[in-house]
Amino acid sequence: DAGVIQSPRHEVTEMGQEVTLRCKPISGHDYLFWYRQTMMRGLELLIYFNNNVPIDDSGMPEDRFSAKMPNASFSTLKIQPSEPRDSAVYFCASSSRQGGLNTEAFFGQGTRLTVV
Amino acid sequence: SQKIEQNSEALNIQEGKTATLTCNYTNYSPAYLQWYRQDPGRGPVFLLLIRENEKEKRKERLKVTFDTTLKQSLFHITASQPADSATYLCALRKYGGATNKLIFGTGTLLAVQP
Repeated sequence: DAGVIQSPRHEVTEMGQEVTLRCKPISGHDYLFWYRQTMMRGLELLIYFNNNVPIDDSGMPEDRFSAKMPNASFSTLKIQPSEPRDSAVYFCASSSRQGGLNTEAFFGQGTRLTVV
Repeated sequence: SQKIEQNSEALNIQEGKTATLTCNYTNYSPAYLQWYRQDPGRGPVFLLLIRENEKEKRKERLKVTFDTTLKQSLFHITASQPADSATYLCALRKYGGATNKLIFGTGTLLAVQP
């Protein structure tokens, strides 16, 4: 497996524009996580899915952020409208349950978002 | 509120010495704790997992301890090498049910000097 794949790797956009980040989890994994990383706040959990269903979105900062997982192999994180304070690296991660226990999370390379 | 804290200052050590990183948590009862390594421009990579009923776990030059009374985990790298220089993150996870949050600490930057 190629691991967790995120696209794009880098995104520069103007304030007010819509931004869509994409993630393909590892095949067979049933959990998918979206994180945001900044120097000030570290790695923050935004939302996670189990079997394509959003379980906890309490980390989503505002209504401008939304996430979907239409099937087991694809998820999107959308910001509309984007603001300069949304500039960060966004990571997608996936994991699975084996024998009833939760295993480690596998991270993608991240998308570096810059909103100007 | 739930908090996970790691040494905020960068840790500088000499090659060959043992590096010890700390992870403290409050208002949390994790079933287990994980340690990850993150290199610049890359996503975190899993290193070790330790369960609440385990006191210590080892993997090659790495050793992790987990004290649920102190609410603390220590991460040791023995015979450190410049290639060990990276940011190290601890992460906590609740067990069971639908809740499966994986929450990360602030991370500690380790620099091993040759």
